[in-house]
Amino acid sequence: AQSVTQLGSHVSVSEGALVLLRCNYSSSVPPYLFWYVQYPNQGLQLLLKYTSAATLVKGINGFEAEFKKSETSFHLTKPSAHMSDAAEYFCAVSFSSNTGKLIFGQGTTLQVKP
Amino acid sequence: DVKVTQSSRYLVKRTGEKVFLECVQDMDHENMFWYRQDPGLGLRLIYFSYDVKMKEKGDIPEGYSVSREKKERFSLILESASTNQTSMYLCASSSRPFGGTEAFFGQGTRLTVV
Repeated sequence: AQSVTQLGSHVSVSEGALVLLRCNYSSSVPPYLFWYVQYPNQGLQLLLKYTSAATLVKGINGFEAEFKKSETSFHLTKPSAHMSDAAEYFCAVSFSSNTGKLIFGQGTTLQVKP
Repeated sequence: DVKVTQSSRYLVKRTGEKVFLECVQDMDHENMFWYRQDPGLGLRLIYFSYDVKMKEKGDIPEGYSVSREKKERFSLILESASTNQTSMYLCASSSRPFGGTEAFFGQGTRLTVV
């Protein structure tokens, strides 16, 4: 079965520190991978996506993610956290055969401490 | 600016009521989705539609139905609301081709059933 697992429901970092949010997927076919961010009382906004071009994907707000097929991972990173990065982050996967529906991970809440 | 609009941000309904959640998109997208968001569970797909009058069940369709009479509008219906349907509901849309296309989300409707 196709699924997405985000390791760690809560991650806390200090302002200026590296942000690393982990995402692993399970799939028997090539996936498309996404990271979305949700600020309080908002809908989801796309950060970045992998669609089989470059394995290192750059997104908005200084975030990037690397697709590693051998590890079935798509971890999200940012070199230096800002207070404004505090939000909930969702990893999601879709496939060419499934009408574009997204399968989401459980979400990771990022806390940024001053 | 692309937009997915959900008719209500907050709703309070009584047990047993029939509830309608409305979603409209202005991007001429073929695909529309209804997700439910609960803490620790991420987003779970309730129903989706890939064309007018077409619908398919997602992962948790029980207790819900949908209607898509026009391309831009996708309605979620709770036939007889129950307290376990208290949740955040998110509507999304995306264009063809399937798979790697980005989904755009509305702001969400926080439904409380009392």
